[in-house]
Amino acid sequence: DGGITQSPKYLFRKEGQNVTLSCEQNLNHDAMYWYRQDPGQGLRLIYYSQIVNDFQKGDIAEGYSVSREKKESFPLTVTSAQKNPTAFYLCASSIQQGAGDEQFFGPGTRLTVL
Amino acid sequence: QKEVEQNSGPLSVPEGAIASLNCTYSDRGSQSFFWYRQYSGKSPELIMFIYSNGDKEDGRFTAQLNKASQYVSLLIRDSQPSDSATYLCAVNGDSGGYQKVTFGTGTKLQVIP
Repeated sequence: DGGITQSPKYLFRKEGQNVTLSCEQNLNHDAMYWYRQDPGQGLRLIYYSQIVNDFQKGDIAEGYSVSREKKESFPLTVTSAQKNPTAFYLCASSIQQGAGDEQFFGPGTRLTVL
Repeated sequence: QKEVEQNSGPLSVPEGAIASLNCTYSDRGSQSFFWYRQYSGKSPELIMFIYSNGDKEDGRFTAQLNKASQYVSLLIRDSQPSDSATYLCAVNGDSGGYQKVTFGTGTKLQVIP
């Protein structure tokens, strides 16, 4: 079965800690994305990657970092510099980063800062 | 001004009725339009996409696009309680040379049995 997996499903972090959220896809998609969703708000783009070893900042990249060492994997690190990290984090992928390419989402990771 | 606007709802319709969900967007250069369904606590699921003016039908779902009015809608015929969810409108357009998808905040649909 092709798809996108995210882990863990739930994550609890103490203030001051860095945490890394995993995202893996076996759809052979070139482009991958990280979004954050807060209650009552739409999805906000954190980072995106069009190809391996390349990524770009989205609208709210401060306090986050990513890597794209493999086509299948796009992990997101939430650093201690992110002031309000409690949110629902969604990873997505598309065939290419283009106008007509629909994005498919993983199941999400819910991060809570204690 | 929000780039993609949706009424947050909730929109309540009786079972078997037609649900009409609306979305407006600000970027006239937008080329692609998507509707996602998101159940509470779950991730968005793509249900429809449309690129050209007019209607596109897929089962009980019809997407309608009017680029002149910068308006896209989703009709759900014979609404079922299982259709109760939040529906996200997404619009793909140019943002400084990068094709960016912008999501609306979603409309919550409640189908009453």
